[in-house]
Amino acid sequence: DAGVIQSPRHEVTEMGQEVTLRCKPISGHNSLFWYRQTMMRGLELLIYFNNNVPIDDSGMPEDRFSAKMPNASFSTLKIQPSEPRDSAVYFCASSFGPGYNEQFFGPGTRLTVL
Amino acid sequence: KQEVTQIPAALSVPEGENLVLNCSFTDSAIYNLQWFRQDPGKGLTSLLLIQSSQREQTSGRLNASLDKSSGRSTLYIAASQPGDSATYLCAVSGTGNQFYFGTGTSLTVIP
Repeated sequence: DAGVIQSPRHEVTEMGQEVTLRCKPISGHNSLFWYRQTMMRGLELLIYFNNNVPIDDSGMPEDRFSAKMPNASFSTLKIQPSEPRDSAVYFCASSFGPGYNEQFFGPGTRLTVL
Repeated sequence: KQEVTQIPAALSVPEGENLVLNCSFTDSAIYNLQWFRQDPGKGLTSLLLIQSSQREQTSGRLNASLDKSSGRSTLYIAASQPGDSATYLCAVSGTGNQFYFGTGTSLTVIP
């Protein structure tokens, strides 16, 4: 298996622009997680899907952030409009079964908002 | 809310030394505890997962233990190698079906 796939790996954009991050979980996994990692705050859970349904989105910082999972093999995280404080590494992870089972992470997307 | 602490934040050891990384958590009502490794600029790699009913897990030179009652886990690395240099994170799952992460221990193994 190719593991969790994320694209793009790097994204540089200007403040106010829309940013879309993409994730393909490991085939057969039915839980998907979006995380954000910064030096100041460490690794934070943004949203958790189970069987394509958002279960916990309490970590989504504000309305500028939205996430979708239209099917079991694809998810997007969108930021609109983007701000410099959104600059971080965004990780997608997947697991089989409930959210507390072993998680497997993608390589991350490094986002820089100028 | 579950709080996870990892001490020390950084550790430097000579090659060949055995070492222990520590992880503590505030809420003992956990399902699993997972140890990860993160190399600079890379994603997280799962090392070991310990279920709440287990006391330890072993994989090669790594051994992770769990003491739920005291809210502690340790990751033991035997005969450290320069390739073990990375940041090690522990994550604890609680009743909220999510993992709470520590801030990690940055390990440097000196040849």
